[in-house]
Amino acid sequence: GESVGLHLPTLSVQEGDNSIINCAYSNSASDYFIWYKQESGKGPQFIIDIRSNMDKRQGQRVTVLLNKTVKHLSLQIAATQPGDSAVYFCAENLRSGGGADGLTFGKGTHLIIQP
Amino acid sequence: EPEVTQTPSHQVTQMGQEVILRCVPISNHLYFYWYRQILGQKVEFLVSFYNNEISEKSEIFDDQFSVERPDGSNFTLKIRSTKLEDSAMYFCASSAQGSRGDTQYFGPGTRLTVL
Repeated sequence: GESVGLHLPTLSVQEGDNSIINCAYSNSASDYFIWYKQESGKGPQFIIDIRSNMDKRQGQRVTVLLNKTVKHLSLQIAATQPGDSAVYFCAENLRSGGGADGLTFGKGTHLIIQP
Repeated sequence: EPEVTQTPSHQVTQMGQEVILRCVPISNHLYFYWYRQILGQKVEFLVSFYNNEISEKSEIFDDQFSVERPDGSNFTLKIRSTKLEDSAMYFCASSAQGSRGDTQYFGPGTRLTVL
């Protein structure tokens, strides 16, 4: 089975409101997590990342929270804008022996910003 | 801003034919990746490449697939005998380092349609 997944496939919020996108992972060996944004017809775009030795990291209008106890990751977007409409994926990078590590993606949440 | 580019944007082929998908990673990056995304599904890791050899590959990356860095700028994915189920978006990515915590930057993708 997959080790990364999302609770909700679609999330609709009003423009200007805050949104929270959730992600659950099952592999306790995962130590690095990333959120990507994918707009229609484009490739995944890096938003923010967090290592397992942290529980919170902030960027511009975005915050990622990591709860290792319950293996839960969330992405908070403040004051959502129409341009935030996209599919958001969480991804994890498992511990490995080195080399170029592939990412394991979750299924994605479609964020819809209502005017 | 440097970006990963991919050609073609859309490739249509007949089942059993060979296809080559091309990528130009970001110029100072050393680690390269291929992912695929079947329509409506999550992004799946295929293979990573470093120092002219495969670093890591997934179960999807079977003998029908191969990767190559034919020159100093291109990174290619070849599918020897395409199947209907190979229809997907194929994303190339690159990173400066292969270790966890180094951002993978994705290209816009090639949509492969196998008829």
